[in-house]
Amino acid sequence: DIQMTQSPSSLSASIGDRVTITCQASQDMTNYLNWYQQKPGKAPKLLIYDASYLETGVPSRFSGSGSGTDFTFTISSLQPEDIATYYCQQYDNLPPTFGQGTKLEIK
Amino acid sequence: QVQLVESGGGLVKPGGSLRLSCAASGFTFSDYYMSWIRQAPGKGLEWVSYISSRGSTIYYADSVKGRFTISRDNARSSLYLQMHSLRAEDTAVYYCARDYLWLRDWGQGTLVTVSS
Repeated sequence: DIQMTQSPSSLSASIGDRVTITCQASQDMTNYLNWYQQKPGKAPKLLIYDASYLETGVPSRFSGSGSGTDFTFTISSLQPEDIATYYCQQYDNLPPTFGQGTKLEIK
Repeated sequence: QVQLVESGGGLVKPGGSLRLSCAASGFTFSDYYMSWIRQAPGKGLEWVSYISSRGSTIYYADSVKGRFTISRDNARSSLYLQMHSLRAEDTAVYYCARDYLWLRDWGQGTLVTVSS
């Protein structure tokens, strides 16, 4: 199975900050990587699919990039409603696997 | 719109059994793979199992292999997870989700608590 290592595991940032989360795969992979947002008590929500494509209805301040083993998720200007835990998920190699999550808090 | 509604969670003793159900609507259920994903309290997401549209391809996480059985009834647009020999570490919110590659649609989750 491909192991996905997210960093950092937690992050504190101010409103308006640019926030970056990384996800490193245990082996080289294609761009079959998704990013999810999960707010407390809620199911995860798909934000980015295939590494860089914005899901319909998701604000453009969210973006994704990367290839090979290193992938990045970015919020260009942090908003209060972005407080959540973010997960990467690969499906390049079955079974699909999640990263361990990054908890984003307001400073 | 797509709706996934899980049911069947609850409190069960170690070694006990439970059957989770997921009722789907708003899409052609028989066209899609379906997944069960769980989240232990305060922990991350763990893929438990997925099943192909006709049930011919099934995956189980090592942590549940031999104890859990996924199944589906396409006529009823329903997904199931039969859980046996439950352990404390199976305590989690269990979500059903449409597909197994891009998880665009999730249920609200059902809580399974394994405790004596």
